[in-house]
Amino acid sequence: DGGITQSPKYLFRKEGQNVTLSCEQNLNHDAMYWYRQDPGQGLRLIYYSQIVNDFQKGDIAEGYSVSREKKESFPLTVTSAQKNPTAFYLCASSPGQRNQPQHFGDGTRLSIL
Amino acid sequence: AQKVTQAQTEISVVEKEDVTLDCVYETRDTTYYLFWYKQPPSGELVFLIRRNSFDEQNEISGRYSWNFQKSTSSFNFTITASQVVDSAVYFCALSEAIGNSGYSTLTFGKGTMLLVSP
Repeated sequence: DGGITQSPKYLFRKEGQNVTLSCEQNLNHDAMYWYRQDPGQGLRLIYYSQIVNDFQKGDIAEGYSVSREKKESFPLTVTSAQKNPTAFYLCASSPGQRNQPQHFGDGTRLSIL
Repeated sequence: AQKVTQAQTEISVVEKEDVTLDCVYETRDTTYYLFWYKQPPSGELVFLIRRNSFDEQNEISGRYSWNFQKSTSSFNFTITASQVVDSAVYFCALSEAIGNSGYSTLTFGKGTMLLVSP
């Protein structure tokens, strides 16, 4: 089945550690997105990529990094510079055009040890 | 900048009641697209509906209906005869063009948590 796979489902980070969240899609979508969700908050855009080898900062990119070496993959690294990383992270993809909905993965819940 | 407001943080109803979730948006674009998503307790967001700005026809899908009113910048969502399985967080979102690229990002409201009790 076509879809978006995020892994792991749960992740724990130690102080000063970088961690990487995986996102893979087999929908042949050009665009991919990373969102952060905090309790009582909507989704806030971290990074997005419209095409391979290109990505743009969203509203809250500080402390995060991404890469887009393959169309299917858009991993997110939460660096030690992100002082409050505990949140639910959602990856999405879409064909990219404005009238197309984004399709979401099941999310990764990141916590601090 | 675009903005989406979902003023209702949480709504509690008893099964079989009708419930309306409000969404008000702000944009300077003349052409735009609105979306509703459902987030059940499992966490993933499920796409429900898309509406473009030049089509004000209301839509009904089973127990779900959507009322788009451009004059009041609202895109409200009604669930008729609610069921326990409707319990979820519902998000309204507005597409935002990225320059002239043809691509877009979404601006989300903060969501409305709907609790349907038996």
